[in-house]
Formats: sequence, C-alpha cells, structure tokens
Amino acid sequence: AQKVTQAQTEISVVEKEDVTLDCVYETRDTTYYLFWYKQPPSGELVFLIRRNSFDEQNEISGRYSWNFQKSTSSFNFTITASQVVDSAVYFCALLSSNTGKLIFGQGTTLQVKP
Amino acid sequence: NAGVMQNPRHLVRRRGQEARLRCSPMKGHSHVYWYRQLPEEGLKFMVYLQKENIIDESGMPKERFSAEFPKEGPSILRIQQVVRGDSAAYFCASSPYSGQLETQYFGPGTRLLVL
Repeated sequence: AQKVTQAQTEISVVEKEDVTLDCVYETRDTTYYLFWYKQPPSGELVFLIRRNSFDEQNEISGRYSWNFQKSTSSFNFTITASQVVDSAVYFCALLSSNTGKLIFGQGTTLQVKP
Repeated sequence: NAGVMQNPRHLVRRRGQEARLRCSPMKGHSHVYWYRQLPEEGLKFMVYLQKENIIDESGMPKERFSAEFPKEGPSILRIQQVVRGDSAAYFCASSPYSGQLETQYFGPGTRLLVL
C-alpha cells in the first residue's frame, strides 16, 4: 500500500524562526516521485518541489530547503527565517510510476505569528 | 501562460440538484486529474482523464459522479442528485503530454456547498 504521513497537524512559530515540516512515505515501488504543495488561506494549491526516487540530493530554494532520505523514507521541508506569508497548509504527496495519481498526506497547518 | 482554470469558483446547490464543475488545463497539457478535499479527509484522487478517455476512475464514487474530457472544450466533473456529503473543494490538475509521471499543476478549486 502507498501512504504519506504528516504527523504534525499544526505548527505555530514566531516570525524569523526556522521550522521543519515532516513527511514520511510508504511505497513498494522502486521509482516514485515526491512533492510538496502549499495551500495558502486563499485556497489554491501551489506546487513547490518535485523529487524523484533516484535523486537524494538536498535542494535549497531561497528560504526553503528539502531533505530527502530514502533510508528513512522521509522527505522533510524546512523554512528558514519564517515569515507571516508562509502561513498555509503544506501537503506532502507521493506519485507512483505505476499510476497517475497523487497520494497526499493529511497536511500540516503552519501559522507564523508576527 | 495561463494556469489551470476552474469554474465556477463557488457553487451552491440544493439537495437533489446537479452540479457541473469545469476545468480547462494549462496550454499544452493533455492529462487532467480531479481531486476532492473533504473537511476532515484531506485531498483524495477521484479520476484521471486524457482527451476522450478515462484512464483511472478508481477514486470516483460509483453512483452520481461522472467525468469527461472531450476532444474540444474543458473537462467536466458532474455530480447528479447532490447530497450534503458532497460539499467539498474539488480541484482539477493537469500535466503535460508526457503524462502521468509529470508534475501536476492545480487549479484554484471549486467550492461546492450543498444546502
């Protein structure tokens, strides 16, 4: 079975703090893809990053960074120096090479207070 | 390059009515996916379509729900005889020609409220 678990339901931080959102996945596929999406209060889903199962290099994009560890089946997302505009629900998702569907975690609600 | 378009953004229906949700994929994208976000259940896959074909409808309820993606025009998700439990946000996503392993880009969603 394929599954994505985001154990943190809600996180609250004060602006400028660093915060890490955890994501653990389960799959028997050898080829798969992992994603993070952001859902701000306005409700749309914004694509943030995609990683394939053969590429364990960490990635940094501005204040965002992602840590992919195949050994622990984790794909964690860190926001450095958080800002109020980072307040949103963040979803981790798994795409199997055998299907076209995304399996989403339950989402982590991040609140950044000024 | 316009993103994925969905309309209407908000839709109110009374129990028993029909709801039609439309999705226009990004330019150059020929694969469309529908997902539903129920309040306490997160985002769940419903159906995957290519032009004129349903590829995977394993997440679609067996009754009252149908989807199409005609050769011309937007993809349509149709819910007949809506019930209160259908109230949710319905998201459409699209991906390019190379298909199911590509990144899916989402539209803004349609919020359906059934009274």
